[in-house]
Amino acid sequence: KNQVEQSPQSLIILEGKNCTLQCNYTVSPFSNLRWYKQDTGRGPVSLTIMTFSENTKSNGRYTATLDADTKQSSLHITASQLSDSASYICVVSPPLDSNYQLIWGAGTKLIIKP
Amino acid sequence: NAGVTQTPKFQVLKTGQSMTLQCAQDMNHEYMSWYRQDPGMGLRLIHYSVGAGITDQGEVPNGYNVSRSTTEDFPLRLLSAAPSQTSVYFCASSFSTRGTGELFFGEGSRLTVL
Repeated sequence: KNQVEQSPQSLIILEGKNCTLQCNYTVSPFSNLRWYKQDTGRGPVSLTIMTFSENTKSNGRYTATLDADTKQSSLHITASQLSDSASYICVVSPPLDSNYQLIWGAGTKLIIKP
Repeated sequence: NAGVTQTPKFQVLKTGQSMTLQCAQDMNHEYMSWYRQDPGMGLRLIHYSVGAGITDQGEVPNGYNVSRSTTEDFPLRLLSAAPSQTSVYFCASSFSTRGTGELFFGEGSRLTVL
């Protein structure tokens, strides 16, 4: 069964510190891998989208990496801010010629403390 | 530019009642979809549409109906509400007809079934 697993489930760090969130997937090959940010009570918002052939993609202080050999992706947040407190969700899109829909991870809840 | 608009934001129903969650987008996206989000789980696809007049089932379609009479609107109907349908519902749209491009989400509709 195609799965996307994220770790840790939750994480608390101090403002200004860096952190890395992990995503392990079994879907292979895939069309693209995305990271979404979801603020409490809001809909998810796209942070990055990487194709199968890309290793890294940045969006400001957010950098996503992809290792297709180990089937892992990471989201690194630099110099965290209070506004980074949110859930971060990893999503894998199966190949275009498949009938599968997007496969969503359960997310990592990140709390930034002042 | 409103993006994706969902109404209502909150709703409480009694078991057996029916209701419609509304979703409208003003980005001229062909692809629209409905997800539910439950604690500790990834988003699960309920129904989706790749254009006016075309709808299909997702992962968890039972108990829900959809229709797509216009490009802009994609309402989700609960036929006979059950406590298991207590959840947060998100509508999303995409320029990609497979939903494999960036998804734009509404703010969510929180439904409680007593």
